[in-house]
Amino acid sequence: QVQLQESGPGLVKPSGTLSLTCAVSGGSISTTDWWSWVRQPPEKGLEWIGEIYHSGSTKYHPSLKSRVTISVDKSKNQFSLKLSSVTAADTAVYYCARQTAVAGTRGFWFDPWGRGTLVTVSS
Amino acid sequence: QSVLTQPPSVSGAPGQRVTISCTGSSSNIGAPYDVHWYQQLPGTAPKLLIYGNSNRPSGVPDRFSGSKSGTSASLAITGLQAEDEADYYCQSYDSSLSGRVFGGGTKLTVL
Repeated sequence: QVQLQESGPGLVKPSGTLSLTCAVSGGSISTTDWWSWVRQPPEKGLEWIGEIYHSGSTKYHPSLKSRVTISVDKSKNQFSLKLSSVTAADTAVYYCARQTAVAGTRGFWFDPWGRGTLVTVSS
Repeated sequence: QSVLTQPPSVSGAPGQRVTISCTGSSSNIGAPYDVHWYQQLPGTAPKLLIYGNSNRPSGVPDRFSGSKSGTSASLAITGLQAEDEADYYCQSYDSSLSGRVFGGGTKLTVL
């Protein structure tokens, strides 16, 4: 079955750029699914960041749109997140997840999820 | 402030039934977009529990059930067990935001 694994630096300096990659195994990234990033600040809830289709089409959370770029590398079966101008408020566990749906439903859900990676913004 | 509203906490004794509500609006649950539910055990990633309002993925016990009516949805857990102690999140799509939205999460405590 499909598995996802996040990787990237665990510490980023304020005003810097957070960069993470999600490797997809057990299946192709070139399906009818979308591929997403979700984050969770310490002791807080989940926040959708954005998503990408294998064609390169993207959708971003309105509040993060000016700072976020999500890209896909089909040759490596992975997708990536870049978040610029980070502050302490961007400290969170970052998850990558597949968004999928079936006929007869209205809306995608996240399944499976990666294990998540903690990114701390600090000098 | 989350777009979808959940109670911060619920509790119940082993064997009891608890419900967790998820209240939205006409731009999400009432649009009507489907509601999905996730269980997050301490220190782990969220796991899909219910999709498409009331469908259980393979491997999820039938003690978990979901329903939706109007602009709200509910997750019910019957025969409460200690292992059900976790955070639960609802999720849908919002047409005003043009994006996926989550509830603020509900912490379930098994007494």
